[in-house]
Amino acid sequence: DAGVIQSPRHEVTEMGQEVTLRCKPISGHNSLFWYRQTMMRGLELLIYFNNNVPIDDSGMPEDRFSAKMPNASFSTLKIQPSEPRDSAVYFCASSSVTGRGEIQFGAGSRLTVL
Amino acid sequence: SQQGEEDPQALSIQEGENATMNCSYKTSINNLQWYRQNSGRGLVHLILIRSNEREKHSGRLRVTLDTSKKSSSLLITASRAADTASYFCATDAGGGADGLTFGKGTHLIIQP
Repeated sequence: DAGVIQSPRHEVTEMGQEVTLRCKPISGHNSLFWYRQTMMRGLELLIYFNNNVPIDDSGMPEDRFSAKMPNASFSTLKIQPSEPRDSAVYFCASSSVTGRGEIQFGAGSRLTVL
Repeated sequence: SQQGEEDPQALSIQEGENATMNCSYKTSINNLQWYRQNSGRGLVHLILIRSNEREKHSGRLRVTLDTSKKSSSLLITASRAADTASYFCATDAGGGADGLTFGKGTHLIIQP
């Protein structure tokens, strides 16, 4: 299995631009998570899906952030419009509800908003 | 706020020595997990300990859990340069399907 696949690995954009981050979870995993990591705040859970349905988006910082999971093998995290304070590494992770509880992470998407 | 808090924030030891990292958390948990993150990479799961377990081993790793004190420790024995990384504890109250809450991590440096 290739693991959780994220794209792009790096994104540099200007303030006000739309950013879309993509994720392919591990096949067979039915929970998907989006995390954000910064030096100041550490790892924060933004949103998670079970069986493609958003369960808890209370971690999404503001309305500029949105996430979708149109099918079991694909999810997007969109920021529109982006701001410099959105600069962070965004991780997608997946797990199986029938598994032991461990979560497998992608390599992350490093976003820099100028 | 963070559920788990690792201590120390940073640790530097000589290769071959043992490294101990601690984690404290605030609310009841279903299980506690430890993850490692190498620079520029995603997190990698190391070990999971359930709330009814007190100690668990995996290779050179030993994890303890004290639910009465709401604390856990991760011991890495006979450290190697390749163990240099950040280590995070994560708590799970929902069986894994509801996401994990991570601490800010301990940055471990193994001096060759």
